[in-house]
Amino acid sequence: KQEVTQIPAALSVPEGENLVLNCSFTDSAIYNLQWFRQDPGKGLTSLLLIQSSQREQTSGRLNASLDKSSGRSTLYIAASQPGDSATYLCAVRPFEAAGNKLTFGGGTRVLVKP
Amino acid sequence: GAVVSQHPSRVICKSGTSVKIECRSLDFQATTMFWYRQFPKQSLMLMATSNEGSKATYEQGVEKDKFLINHASLTLSTLTVTSAHPEDSSFYICSAEEGGAPIGTDTQYFGPGTRLTVL
Repeated sequence: KQEVTQIPAALSVPEGENLVLNCSFTDSAIYNLQWFRQDPGKGLTSLLLIQSSQREQTSGRLNASLDKSSGRSTLYIAASQPGDSATYLCAVRPFEAAGNKLTFGGGTRVLVKP
Repeated sequence: GAVVSQHPSRVICKSGTSVKIECRSLDFQATTMFWYRQFPKQSLMLMATSNEGSKATYEQGVEKDKFLINHASLTLSTLTVTSAHPEDSSFYICSAEEGGAPIGTDTQYFGPGTRLTVL
């Protein structure tokens, strides 16, 4: 059974500092890995999706890497801003021909202090 | 972009009553919808997969008679929490997968969630 772990569970940084969020998964047979952002009491916003054949994806200040063999992904957020404060979740999709069932990590709660 | 809505956004009910939550895909047809449950400061746990026109597939440990799922059309799935109890209080989130999209593409869109509080 796939297990996804995110460390740290919470992170507080001053504005301008770079953020490094870690995600690990136990079964390397994944189809893709996705990073989401969740604001308090809200749904999920997709940030980046990395296919299993890819090593990284970038969008603006966000960069996500994937090392499938070691079961790890890292989300980097450059020059953090107070608006980046949220919970960040990673989720993996298993390598199956059909379906899109995601297994989520526990999330990292980020606070960027002005 | 694709939008998924949920209604209501927040509901408070008395113990023993039933509550229905709607999940709608507003601008696309969703052949598959997923229902998740999230406890405070915890991650999302998949409850069930809902396919249009067929019975939902429940994850292990989820009571199908407790959480009734109906996916009657390509744009609507409903989750009914029957005989709700305080332990059912949680944040329920649905997601919808666009039909016909290539497998593996980012076609799962999430709703804003419904906060259920059972007194």
